[in-house]
Amino acid sequence: DQQVKQNSPSLSVQEGRISILNCDYTNSMFDYFLWYKKYPAEGPTFLISISSIKDKNEDGRFTVFLNKSAKHLSLHIVPSQPGDSAVYFCAASPGGGADGLTFGKGTHLIIQP
Amino acid sequence: DAGVIQSPRHEVTEMGQEVTLRCKPISGHNSLFWYRQTMMRGLELLIYFNNNVPIDDSGMPEDRFSAKMPNASFSTLKIQPSEPRDSAVYFCASSRSADTQYFGPGTRLTVL
Repeated sequence: DQQVKQNSPSLSVQEGRISILNCDYTNSMFDYFLWYKKYPAEGPTFLISISSIKDKNEDGRFTVFLNKSAKHLSLHIVPSQPGDSAVYFCAASPGGGADGLTFGKGTHLIIQP
Repeated sequence: DAGVIQSPRHEVTEMGQEVTLRCKPISGHNSLFWYRQTMMRGLELLIYFNNNVPIDDSGMPEDRFSAKMPNASFSTLKIQPSEPRDSAVYFCASSRSADTQYFGPGTRLTVL
């Protein structure tokens, strides 16, 4: 069973507009959530995280929102830039980040000029 | 900092051969994780260590897989004997306590 789901395999957004990537989870024990960005032939790169005690965390153009009751989180990128084109992975952990991560299958974001 | 270092970056081997993947975590990090990425299953945790001690190896697919961390700066993931279905990209990641995990560039393994 997939405990972390990213239902959109791909997303195309115009440069300068907002990109919204979504993620759902089923395990109530998850209390720490992260987004990673991955380019081909490279390892995942950490973007932003959020603890379950918060509902929003912002870092520059990136904002993560957490809705615990819906078991849903989203990543907003504003404004979207060509270098944002990559695969984005949602990940979750039950141990505040000390345990291994459970990943979604990823969303391929394509920023169009 | 050099980041997490993995070797080799690419490995092509024949079915039945032993394969050893290597990882050097970031200096000062005390947790080390091995993940595998395949088209079918995505990124999945295989095993992780805290302070060189294996904590959770429930993701290791079979007895053919083994992992060791003899000291704080080195870990190996061994597959013996290897099979074509082991073909995947294997990532190593490290973190300091409950902090963010940082990933290496991965080893692309192809078993013919």
